[in-house]
Order: sequence, then C-alpha cells, then structure tokens
Amino acid sequence: GESVGLHLPTLSVQEGDNSIINCAYSNSASDYFIWYKQESGKGPQFIIDIRSNMDKRQGQRVTVLLNKTVKHLSLQIAATQPGDSAVYFCAENIRGYGQNFVFGPGTRLSVLP
Amino acid sequence: KAGVTQTPRYLIKTRGQQVTLSCSPISGHRSVSWYQQTPGQGLQFLFEYFSETQRNKGNFPGRFSGRQFSNSRSEMNVSTLELGDSALYLCASSLTGAAGEKLFFGSGTQLSVL
Repeated sequence: GESVGLHLPTLSVQEGDNSIINCAYSNSASDYFIWYKQESGKGPQFIIDIRSNMDKRQGQRVTVLLNKTVKHLSLQIAATQPGDSAVYFCAENIRGYGQNFVFGPGTRLSVLP
Repeated sequence: KAGVTQTPRYLIKTRGQQVTLSCSPISGHRSVSWYQQTPGQGLQFLFEYFSETQRNKGNFPGRFSGRQFSNSRSEMNVSTLELGDSALYLCASSLTGAAGEKLFFGSGTQLSVL
C-alpha cells in the first residue's frame, strides 16, 4: 500500500542519525499541511501538522518546517530508529476545500543498523 | 478509542463486477473521506461525506460513488470494475471535515480486479 510512482525517492540514514525529508507542495493557497508515515500493509499514520501562519512546529522527536516563499515543507526526525523505516508523505489542504488533501509522491526512509 | 475501521481488508473481483467497501470512522467523527492509492498515481481524493451528504468530490468517474449513514459510517461503491481500479482504498475521518482539521486514516481495503 505505498505510493511509489515510477521512482520513489529513497533516503537511507544510519540508526541514531537525524533524518530530513523534503516536500515541495503545489499550491500557494494551501494553508494546512500534514506529514504522514505509511508502513507496508497499513494506512497513513498522522505524524504532525502545521498551519500556514507558522514556520516551525515540534513534536516528539519530529520537527516540521514550512517555507511558504518557496513552497517547501520538511520533516526532521531526530535520533532515527529502525521503527522509523516507512514511506513518508506530505499532504496539503486549501481552505474551502474541506478534506480534499493533495498528497506528495512520498519518500521512502530506510534506517541502516 | 478505536481508530478508523475498514472492511473487508482484501477483495478480489473480476472486470465488470461491482464492489462495496465499508468504513466506520473514529467515534465522534462526522466527516468521512475516501482516497485511492496506486503505485502510479499515489494518493488521490475520491469524495467526502458529512451528515449523510457528499460535500466534496475528486476527479473520478461516476462509477465511483458513496454514501454515509446517520451513524456516520460510510460505504463506497465501484460499479463495472476495470483493471485500473485495482488499488488500496483508504477511508479517513475527521471531526467535522472543516479545512485545517486533522485527518486520520484506516488500514484500507486492497482491491484486486482480475
């Protein structure tokens, strides 16, 4: 159940290192963003969200950065663990479009022992 | 609190048949959305229901339809199945479906069309 397209970007990191996953979003009118984690055979799992009036938001071991000028979103995972191995998606939402989220193609994160 | 529940987990159908998928949202959530996930197209929005009414619709043919019941449970139907309909169908729920609201997904129904 993962989105791979023709070629899913892959990020390989050493266990214990920090990971940075990037996402370019498509619509300058998007004002709400969510990062999801999807493990094989499961549905997307909510990680963290951010609204367009913020530049940064922190959760437990995760930080999301939003750069509206260049329409760029990033997810930072501190002290990456084997359980973090999954496909990560960013999703954007435009006010007035309800639950119609537009998802990025995803990035596969592989954590090396 | 139980998460979003989807049944069945797997389905195998043949071309031309129709299929119905079921979704129970998180307790208290009244908005249910459906997404299709394929390797080629990724995650794509199908439609959203709130208070038994379709409120938003994605760019899919009329063969894809849905409904929502008074208890917020939802079903999705695909008629005259095509090979290209093979996908993971994901249901998601949120409190009211307002923009800027957290969206939570179920594990999906994997549909294979032969």
